[in-house]
Amino acid sequence: DSGVTQTPKHLITATGQRVTLRCSPRSGDLSVYWYQQSLDQGLQFLIQYYNGEERAKGNILERFSAQQFPDLHSELNLSSLELGDSALYFCASSPRGGPGETQYFGPGTRLLVL
Amino acid sequence: EDQVTQSPEALRLQEGESSSLNCSYTVSGLRGLFWYRQDPGKGPEFLFTLYSAGEEKEKERLKATLTKKESFLHITAPKPEDSATYLCAVRPFSGGYNKLIFGAGTRLAVHP
Repeated sequence: DSGVTQTPKHLITATGQRVTLRCSPRSGDLSVYWYQQSLDQGLQFLIQYYNGEERAKGNILERFSAQQFPDLHSELNLSSLELGDSALYFCASSPRGGPGETQYFGPGTRLLVL
Repeated sequence: EDQVTQSPEALRLQEGESSSLNCSYTVSGLRGLFWYRQDPGKGPEFLFTLYSAGEEKEKERLKATLTKKESFLHITAPKPEDSATYLCAVRPFSGGYNKLIFGAGTRLAVHP
C-alpha cells in the first residue's frame, strides 16, 4: 500500500458525459501527478500540481482539467468523453515535486466509456 | 526526443531460472531512473531509484544497475510471485518539474 488513495475504483459512463476522478496523496506529500495508461500508449504523464498550483503539463487534452485543493487532494475532470478515453487513470504523489523524487502511485481508476 | 525502450516485451522463465530485463534510454541528461513493478489492474509499485552510472540497488531477488545508456533489472532465482510487468521510467534533466517518461514494460511470467 503506497498511501495514495483514489476513488472511484471503476467508472462506466457514456460518450459525451463528464466525470471526476479523485486522489488523496500520501501524508506529507505536496505534489500530485496524473497519468493515463491505455493498452496502446502505455503510461503517459498528464499533469503535475504542487501545493495547489499547476507545475507541469504533459499530453493532457483540452477536454481534461485538474486542480489541487487546499487540503492537497486533487481532482481530474474529464469532459465530452470519447470511446478512446477508456483507460486506467493513476494518481501519484511525492514530497515536494522536485526533480528525481520518487513518485508513489495509487491503485488507479478504471474508466470505461461506452 | 527523450525515449525509453524496454526489452524483451515478454519473458517466460522457469522458477529458479535467473535472467535480466533491459531498459535503454535516450534523454537530455538524467535526473533519475526508476523501476516499478505493476500487477494487472493495479498501480505501479516502486522498486528502485538510480541516479548515476555505476550505481546498483538490491532488494530480495532483484538487483538494478545503471550505465550511461541503459539499466538492467536482474532477477535471481525467480519465484512465481515475481510474475508482473516491470516498468522503467526516466526523469530527464530539462525542466524544474518531475515528469517521468515510461517505457512500455516487460511482462514477466515465472512458472513453477
